[in-house]
Amino acid sequence: GAGVSQSPRYKVAKRGQDVALRCDPISGHVSLFWYQQALGQGPEFLTYFQNEAQLDKSGLPSDRFFAERPEGSVSTLKIQRTQQEDSAVYLCASSLEGGRDGLFFGSGTQLSVL
Amino acid sequence: DAKTTQPPSMDCAEGRAANLPCNHSTISGNEYVYWYRQIHSQGPQYIIHGLKNNETNEMASLIITEDRKSSTLILPHATLRDTAVYYCIVRADNNAGNMLTFGGGTRLMVKP
Repeated sequence: GAGVSQSPRYKVAKRGQDVALRCDPISGHVSLFWYQQALGQGPEFLTYFQNEAQLDKSGLPSDRFFAERPEGSVSTLKIQRTQQEDSAVYLCASSLEGGRDGLFFGSGTQLSVL
Repeated sequence: DAKTTQPPSMDCAEGRAANLPCNHSTISGNEYVYWYRQIHSQGPQYIIHGLKNNETNEMASLIITEDRKSSTLILPHATLRDTAVYYCIVRADNNAGNMLTFGGGTRLMVKP
């Protein structure tokens, strides 16, 4: 497709369950970002990849959060032992190297932890 | 990156110009001003960016004051589909990873 694709669109998990969220960036985009957006708040940075290298993971809230991009294209954000406070929209964005002309965001995965 | 201040909400009549202000009084010389918007249930969408000159594209115009301490995003003829949260962000050109730091934004309501 032409844009950033995220799946699933919605995910309901029981507390303690592991979840995996997928992001397909725009073809050719070197940079990939994950953001977390709580209800009524602006997106907050989680982690950044350049190709397959994870260059910044300073925003990951705990060691239960793990992201990978093994072949420099598709990325997966994994959350282990989900907690209620993990409920949020998880946004993925991609850009050409440098990103001066802006980041392109997907529609996000809305995660609800019960 | 410098912090920005935006009004939490604004209303605009359909067909009129929407002028969204942003203060960034601590902006540095190498920091660009970016605007994004987020329509309900969608991811943020890039609108426009600039350094010190005014910029215009098919979506909007960006007016940056001469001292660069504030800017205004102008939607010349607002439509109902422009109802969204608008984020003003300043980002250094040499920002490793070009990470964006979002604030609270301005919730623009376009009314018929």
